[in-house]
Amino acid sequence: DAKTTQPTSMDCAEGRAANLPCNHSTISGNEYVYWYRQIHSQGPQYIIHGLKNNETNEMASLIITEDRKSSTLILPHATLRDTAVYYCIVTMYSGGGADGLTFGKGTHLIIQP
Amino acid sequence: KAGVTQTPRYLIKTRGQQVTLSCSPISGHRSVSWYQQTPGQGLQFLFEYFSETQRNKGNFPGRFSGRQFSNSRSEMNVSTLELGDSALYLCASSLRIGDEQYFGPGTRLTVT
Repeated sequence: DAKTTQPTSMDCAEGRAANLPCNHSTISGNEYVYWYRQIHSQGPQYIIHGLKNNETNEMASLIITEDRKSSTLILPHATLRDTAVYYCIVTMYSGGGADGLTFGKGTHLIIQP
Repeated sequence: KAGVTQTPRYLIKTRGQQVTLSCSPISGHRSVSWYQQTPGQGLQFLFEYFSETQRNKGNFPGRFSGRQFSNSRSEMNVSTLELGDSALYLCASSLRIGDEQYFGPGTRLTVT
């Protein structure tokens, strides 16, 4: 699975859009980009995933660059409950992959009131 | 639909003992994965089960084992506990291998 690079931490004002970047320059053609988040002391929560097209669901939007070397997770109207560690994961299969999900250190997103 | 449940939520054991943790997946999900989370190593994949068979395994010693039952419920066992096994153990289920995973709240294991 390709390696990902994310900022260690980010701040965002409540009510504003939170844009979380992820660099995955070694991604291969059949690897998906997945986003999970983990709120303190809880299990990780699936957010969204995509292969090459932009995706949107009720939680967030995922923008993948045309060369697929980077992506951005967008939380359109961040609330205090969105404070969490956000993990960007690249994996070959639509989901776990051969070795399970490989979690890096993620981005600690702090929503400021 | 009920989420992934894990029991017990908290556990304290002594070095050398063994422990069994249980996971009930979301109804209809047939794949169950286990992860260990520690402050130093972060989230690490332990193993994945599908249709009662271990399909994938992470880089953990043989003291860590698991199984899956015909109703997709899963258990993991850690024998000869070490202090370093203190961690949050997370179970995740998915419809099939390769689908997005849904995590339970975890079992917090403390080894003294």
